[in-house]
Amino acid sequence: GDSVTQMEGPVTLSEEAFLTINCTYTATGYPSLFWYVQYPGEGLQLLLKATKADDKGSNKGFEATYRKETTSFHLEKGSVQVSDSAVYFCALSDVNRDDKIIFGKGTRLHILP
Amino acid sequence: DAGVTQSPTHLIKTRGQQVTLRCSPKSGHDTVSWYQQALGQGPQFIFQYYEEEERQRGNFPDRFSGHQFPNYSSELNVNALLLGDSALYLCASSLGQGVTGELFFGEGSRLTVL
Repeated sequence: GDSVTQMEGPVTLSEEAFLTINCTYTATGYPSLFWYVQYPGEGLQLLLKATKADDKGSNKGFEATYRKETTSFHLEKGSVQVSDSAVYFCALSDVNRDDKIIFGKGTRLHILP
Repeated sequence: DAGVTQSPTHLIKTRGQQVTLRCSPKSGHDTVSWYQQALGQGPQFIFQYYEEEERQRGNFPDRFSGHQFPNYSSELNVNALLLGDSALYLCASSLGQGVTGELFFGEGSRLTVL
């Protein structure tokens, strides 16, 4: 079945460092890809998404490009801030088949001032 | 504009008991999905309700059941609780039958089974 694999955490960086969180997927169809974020004490919220190959999703300085050839959707940010500390989930959904979203295990990010 | 609200936020049960969790969707949303998030894991899809009917179901036993009311709010029921049911249960709401990833999540109900 479809699945998502993302790098294990925790990831600890200093403020203003460059961030990459790796995500790869396995899918039989043509899924949409997402990054969700869970800030401390809050619910999951959609960070960005891409619905087809070569699309780039972006929000709050974060970016991810849908790479069909490498089945990847890596999350990047050029300069992280302390407020980016959270758990990040890569996810996919094949809306042509069903509506459920399949999540990775999550990567906890700590940003040090 | 109220977001997704869930109750209770925390609860403790013993093995064999039954539990009911409640969810009110974001204003204007008509579809509710439930997810189970075990410690250190990503959320796992349980089922989705639309127009008061279960539309899809994940790989969960029949002990997990649900309901959606005419006002779109929803309940998740779990019977014959097992230790492994201990988790954070998340409710997510959206608009319409199709999911585009625009799910809005509540903060969850944390269930501990002793």
